[in-house]
Amino acid sequence: DTGVSQNPRHKITKRGQNVTFRCDPISEHNRLYWYRQTLGQGPEFLTYFQNEAQLEKSRLLSDRFSAERPKGSFSTLEIQRTEQGDSAMYLCASKRQAFTDTQYFGPGTRLTVL
Amino acid sequence: AQKITQTQPGMFVQEKEAVTLDCTYDTSDQSYGLFWYKQPSSGEMIFLIYQGSYDEQNATEGRYSLNFQKARKSANLVISASQLGDSAMYFCAMREDNYGQNFVFGPGTRLSVLP
Repeated sequence: DTGVSQNPRHKITKRGQNVTFRCDPISEHNRLYWYRQTLGQGPEFLTYFQNEAQLEKSRLLSDRFSAERPKGSFSTLEIQRTEQGDSAMYLCASKRQAFTDTQYFGPGTRLTVL
Repeated sequence: AQKITQTQPGMFVQEKEAVTLDCTYDTSDQSYGLFWYKQPSSGEMIFLIYQGSYDEQNATEGRYSLNFQKARKSANLVISASQLGDSAMYFCAMREDNYGQNFVFGPGTRLSVLP
């Protein structure tokens, strides 16, 4: 399967713990996006990378959220000192650079903060 | 201001019938793209169809077609011959600006296909 993959699929953690999610994009896609989706809502854009450069991060929800894509391939999203309000589905998507290209999504990581 | 509006929180359709899911958008850009995604209960967002703002013809992909009315800023999804497997959330999304990083989703419409 050459689609976008995300790990883990589910994460349950206690409030105050740090969590890290991984996204592996489609191999020829140089753009990678992170979204958060809460119940009953559409995905909310968080940040994106072009290769290893993080070109937009002002929409990250707080300074507890950070993302990396060190070699321009896989990416990680970290949430420090998790809060119950962080419980959501975290989606990753990738696309090629061309404006007209479509984003393809991974299956998401569902985070539950107890 | 909300950029993507989907006014139908839920829709029902009889199997084998056609259904239209509404989407209106707001942008001042001349160049933008409109997308529809399907999200079944498993959670994965599945790309269905794309319409570019300069495309003169309505996009079609199998049973999916996009009714693009630029002057009205609407991009309705039409699903023909509904199937039980079409039951899912459907999201309209817009990508604006030439760098493609501003990608906004609507609140979604839950479609239920009845046997």
